[in-house]
Amino acid sequence: DAGVIQSPRHEVTEMGQEVTLRCKPISGHNSLFWYRQTMMRGLELLIYFNNNVPIDDSGMPEDRFSAKMPNASFSTLKIQPSEPRDSAVYFCASTQSHEQYFGPGTRLTVT
Amino acid sequence: DQQVKQNSPSLSVQEGRISILNCDYTNSMFDYFLWYKKYPAEGPTFLISISSIKDKNEDGRFTVFLNKSAKHLSLHIVPSQPGDSAVYFCAASKSGYALNFGKGTSLLVTP
Repeated sequence: DAGVIQSPRHEVTEMGQEVTLRCKPISGHNSLFWYRQTMMRGLELLIYFNNNVPIDDSGMPEDRFSAKMPNASFSTLKIQPSEPRDSAVYFCASTQSHEQYFGPGTRLTVT
Repeated sequence: DQQVKQNSPSLSVQEGRISILNCDYTNSMFDYFLWYKKYPAEGPTFLISISSIKDKNEDGRFTVFLNKSAKHLSLHIVPSQPGDSAVYFCAASKSGYALNFGKGTSLLVTP
């Protein structure tokens, strides 16, 4: 298995633009998580899905953030409009038990 | 609020010696604990875990100890190797759901 796949690996965009991050979980995993890592706050959970259904989105910073999981093999995290304070590394992880497996992350820079 | 805390941001150990990384948590409902290792520009990699019904789990050079009464866990690496140099994250979950991460401890193993 190729592991969790995220794209793009790097994204640089201007403030106000829409940004879409993509994730393909490990086949057979029924839970998917989006995390954000910053120097100040460390790794924080944004949202997670179980069997494609959003279970907890309390970590989503504000309405500018949205996430979807249209099927078991694909999820997106969208930021619209983006702001400089959204600059961070965004990780996707999947699991079928306790141990979550992480993708390589997307480094987002909003100028 | 930070429910999982790693109070040492960094640790330096000589090759061959023991590395001890510590982690404290505040939520007594956590029932599963994990350690992840992270290299720069990569996602966190699962290392070892322990259920709250146990107080020790060993996997090769890595051992995790759990002290529920003190709400404390530690990761021991013996013997430490230069390739162990990375950031180590402690994480905890309730009933197999989302992980709460500490902010990480950067371990440097010197030759």
